[in-house]
Amino acid sequence: QQQVKQSPQSLIVQKGGISIINCAYENTAFDYFPWYQQFPGKGPALLIAIRPDVSEKKEGRFTISFNKSAKQFSLHIMDSQPGDSATYFCAACPETSGSRLTFGEGTQLTVNP
Amino acid sequence: DAGVTQSPTHLIKTRGQQVTLRCSPKSGHDTVSWYQQALGQGPQFIFQYYEEEERQRGNFPDRFSGHQFPNYSSELNVNALLLGDSALYLCASSLVWGNSPLHFGNGTRLTVT
Repeated sequence: QQQVKQSPQSLIVQKGGISIINCAYENTAFDYFPWYQQFPGKGPALLIAIRPDVSEKKEGRFTISFNKSAKQFSLHIMDSQPGDSATYFCAACPETSGSRLTFGEGTQLTVNP
Repeated sequence: DAGVTQSPTHLIKTRGQQVTLRCSPKSGHDTVSWYQQALGQGPQFIFQYYEEEERQRGNFPDRFSGHQFPNYSSELNVNALLLGDSALYLCASSLVWGNSPLHFGNGTRLTVT
C-alpha cells in the first residue's frame, strides 16, 4: 500500500515537444505529491508539488495534473528542451509526515535537439 | 545561502566494515532525513531526525543508525556493511513546521567491495 508506480521508465522526445510522465498510488493517506528532477551526480531537486485540493498546478512549462478518484497524477513538460534531459521522480507522503516521501522508480527523459 | 552539504562525496569500504556519513542541513532547517538510492531506483526513506531524536524510520535494519547534533547536522552510521549497501546516500533537510519541502544534498556514493 506504500507503493508509488511510475511510468514510463524512459522517454525520448524532440525539442519543443510535450513530455508526459504518469504516477499512481495506493495509500489514501497520501496528500502531498511532489515531483523531483535529478541530474547525474546530483541530488534530487524539487520541481513542483501539488496537494489534492486542486486538480492542476502550473509553474512555467511544468504542469501537474491530479486525479484523486483514480489515485493518479502526472507531470507535463511543455516545450521540452535538451536541458530538461534528466531523471524525474514522482513522490508522495501524508502531509503530516512531510519528510517520509515514497518515491516512484523514476523516468529517464531525453530531449533530442 | 548554503544548501545541504554532505561528506564525503565518495567512499569505498569492505564488507563487514562500518561507515559514517555526514550531513549539514540547509541554513534555517531543523529536520534531517536520510535516504538510500540504489542505482537506477528511486530514493528510499531510512529515517528522520528532529530535536536530536529519531522521529520516523523506514524499513531498514538496525545496522543503520543515526545521530543529530545540537547544530542540526547529522550522521548516518552503517555497521557490518553488506554488498547490497552499495548506493547513493542522500541527506535532505526541511523545517518541521509548515509546508516545508525537502531539500536534498548531492549525496555520498558508497561502494562496498
